[in-house]
Amino acid sequence: DAGVTQSPTHLIKTRGQHVTLRCSPISGHKSVSWYQQVLGQGPQFIFQYYEKEERGRGNFPDRFSARQFPNYSSELNVNALLLGDSALYLCASSHIPGQGYGYTFGSGTRLTVV
Amino acid sequence: DAKTTQPNSMESNEEEPVHLPCNHSTISGTDYIHWYRQLPSQGPEYVIHGLTSNVNNRMASLAIAEDRKSSTLILHRATLRDAAVYYCILRDANYGGSQGNLIFGKGTKLSVKP
Repeated sequence: DAGVTQSPTHLIKTRGQHVTLRCSPISGHKSVSWYQQVLGQGPQFIFQYYEKEERGRGNFPDRFSARQFPNYSSELNVNALLLGDSALYLCASSHIPGQGYGYTFGSGTRLTVV
Repeated sequence: DAKTTQPNSMESNEEEPVHLPCNHSTISGTDYIHWYRQLPSQGPEYVIHGLTSNVNNRMASLAIAEDRKSSTLILHRATLRDAAVYYCILRDANYGGSQGNLIFGKGTKLSVKP
């Protein structure tokens, strides 16, 4: 079975531009979460979606948005990019949030803003 | 949110056991203890989780103190491939809002010497 797949793997954008990152969860997983990992830090929670509804949001500005599609894949959108948005963006999927289930992470999208 | 405390770094010799400690003195009765690890240039990988009893799987063992205020991840025979950052995370089993997300600290960087 395929794991969590993210695209693209690497991306370079200019300040002020917009970016869309994509994630396909493991087959059968209905929950998708997004995390941002800045170099040298642990991942920071951005969004969680379950059954196509937003179920949680971390402390990120409104420039960050996301959605989940009927097939449970997800997109993370970031508008008006800043240099500080340069990071590894991770997607994680699970059967059901909470209840002790583990998450499976993708390898991430490395975003560089110049 | 309940927090965890881990040493910044640890060293181990190859093929020796490794005990990675984690303190979580503010843990609540519904918090699961999760461990993830992150190898260089990869997304975090689920290792193990538990609630009250010690747990074993093919990757590791999790020893949970009787008062649940601390736990230890045990790698029975460290290999060079186990060199990674190990994160100890508490997750509320009562899913709701953003409680399903993972709150990562800085983790413990494990180095394994040949």
